[in-house]
Amino acid sequence: QKEVEQNSGPLSVPEGAIASLNCTYSDRVSQSFFWYRQYSGKSPELIMSIYSNGDKEDGRFTAQLNKASQYVSLLIRDSQPSDSATYLCAVNGYNFNKFYFGSGTKLNVKP
Amino acid sequence: DVKVTQSSRYLVKRTGEKVFLECVQDMDHENMFWYRQDPGLGLRLIYFSYDVKMKEKGDIPEGYSVSREKKERFSLILESASTNQTSMYLCASSLSGEAFFGQGTRLTVV
Repeated sequence: QKEVEQNSGPLSVPEGAIASLNCTYSDRVSQSFFWYRQYSGKSPELIMSIYSNGDKEDGRFTAQLNKASQYVSLLIRDSQPSDSATYLCAVNGYNFNKFYFGSGTKLNVKP
Repeated sequence: DVKVTQSSRYLVKRTGEKVFLECVQDMDHENMFWYRQDPGLGLRLIYFSYDVKMKEKGDIPEGYSVSREKKERFSLILESASTNQTSMYLCASSLSGEAFFGQGTRLTVV
């Protein structure tokens, strides 16, 4: 079983819609959770981090964490074509020394 | 802003060559990582280091070694490059939270 699981997609949404990306993880002691965006041919860039249960909002992005169910999600409101990218979920272990990445969900936002 | 710099953006090497990939970070981060990324396989951890001269194997260390003589620099070494090591290599650093990535090195072994 992989440490971090994501649906590979592609997930297609029309411009202006809400995109919902999901991620599950296997290690119950995981402490920190991150969403990265990666454009084709580029390196991942951090867009959100979340450390406690509940929602965290930053502009059009909302990260949601449920440790009991071991899932973390990312909502993108008012999706734009520039949001088209692969979104990577990452989980950090108890000692902060290792990150586990999902294989990413490809998002296509159609104009 | 954190800056993680990888020495080469693109690299072409011959089978059997010894290859050095260099990574430097400027934020005094203790943790540094080397990943490779292949289509359909996501990011796979090769090695990480949590302090100078300290290293731990990741999930796919075979065929690779690393060196961390100074806190800011973490080098990945391919002792004898093979065609199956053709990949995108990503270096990252972190303190106790988010990981920050370099721009990546696309290595082709011919």
